This record gives sequence, C-alpha cells and structure tokens, in this order.
Amino acid sequence: DSGVTQTPKHLITATGQRVTLRCSPRSGDLSVYWYQQSLDQGLQFLIQYYNGEERAKGNILERFSAQQFPDLHSELNLSSLELGDSALYFCASSGPGSFNGYTFGSGTRLTVV
Amino acid sequence: AQKITQTQPGMFVQEKEAVTLDCTYDTSDPSYGLFWYKQPSSGEMIFLIYQGSYDQQNATEGRYSLNFQKARKSANLVISASQLGDSAMYFCAMRGGPSGAGSYQLTFGKGTKLSVIP
Repeated sequence: DSGVTQTPKHLITATGQRVTLRCSPRSGDLSVYWYQQSLDQGLQFLIQYYNGEERAKGNILERFSAQQFPDLHSELNLSSLELGDSALYFCASSGPGSFNGYTFGSGTRLTVV
Repeated sequence: AQKITQTQPGMFVQEKEAVTLDCTYDTSDPSYGLFWYKQPSSGEMIFLIYQGSYDQQNATEGRYSLNFQKARKSANLVISASQLGDSAMYFCAMRGGPSGAGSYQLTFGKGTKLSVIP
C-alpha cells in the first residue's frame, strides 16, 4: 500500500455520462497531482492542488474539473464523457515544502462505452 | 518546456543479464530531478530511483543504478541481474524547477517495455 488511495479501481460508463474519481493523499502530503494515462497520449499531467488551492493546470479538458477538500482528499470530475476519455487516471501526492517526492495511487481505470 | 525522450519502445534481456534503458531530457531549468518508475501489467506506478541535477554521484538503489550524464542530458537506467519480475513498462520522468505557481509536476517519457527472457 503506497499510502495514496484511489477509488474506484475500475469504472465502466456510457458516453455522455459524468463520473467522479476520488483520491486520498498520503498522510501529511499537501499536494495532489492528477495524471491521465492513455495509449495514444501516454502519461499526461492534468492538474495540481496544494492545500485546497489549484496550483497548476496541464492538459486538462474543459469537461474535466477537480477540487481538493479541507481534509485534503481530491476529486476529479469528468463530464460529457467520450470514448477517447477511456484511460487510467492516477493521483499522486507529495509532501509540504518545495519538493518531497511523489507517491502514486494504484489508479482508476475508466472505460467509456 | 520540458521534454523526456525514451527511444526504445521495447527491449529484451536474458534473465540474470544487465540491461540499460535510455532516457534523454531537455530543460532550461538549472535545478531539476529525474525519476524512473516501473509499471507492471497490474498498472501501478512503482518508484525506482531518483537523481537530482546537482547530485555529484550517480544514484543507486539495489539492482537499479542511474547513469547520469549531465552534459549529454541523459539519465539511463541500468538494471543489473535481471529477473523475470522485472518485465514491465519503465518510465523516465523529470521534475523541473517550480513554475510561477510553485508547481512541481512530472513530465514523463513514453516508456520502454522490458521483457525478461528465461
């Protein structure tokens, strides 16, 4: 167990639907990063939150949004889903301060049918 | 902008032999970090080794070592005494200096699929 918990592990949904992916960071970590891994795009950074505030945005679609709650868990919301959104979504966390390593969760595998 | 290049889509190695996985990078940040992750077929990302741009010595972690050549901007992973369980995807990644917002996100290469042959 890496200490970063992602739920659910698998998700199958239909096109046009909305889903929420959840991430609980390692205890004490303030930063949460979301990544998308697809066959054609590889591992892409989506968004980062630090202590409840958005810190950086990467290649995140407008149909996607995220937030980090006061207890530091984070949710990634994907809406109007398309077949191309099928991917493995990772959450990673890192500690306070400038840099303190990354711990990845086991990922949520999303399949859009 | 940061870029990681892994030129070997797939590699084969005989069990108990050593193998080198290539990684080159490009960045304008004077301070950066380089990572290698292993992703087995089960999907999780397993941290293997880290090299900081100012580290004087090459990083080592058990059977893993990082051949860091700063002038060439390369950070090759060397796995010694390969085992069947080493069969997996291997990703090189870079963490640059903080962006204006203080973010330290990773930039990943496309990966190398390593297959260990008995």
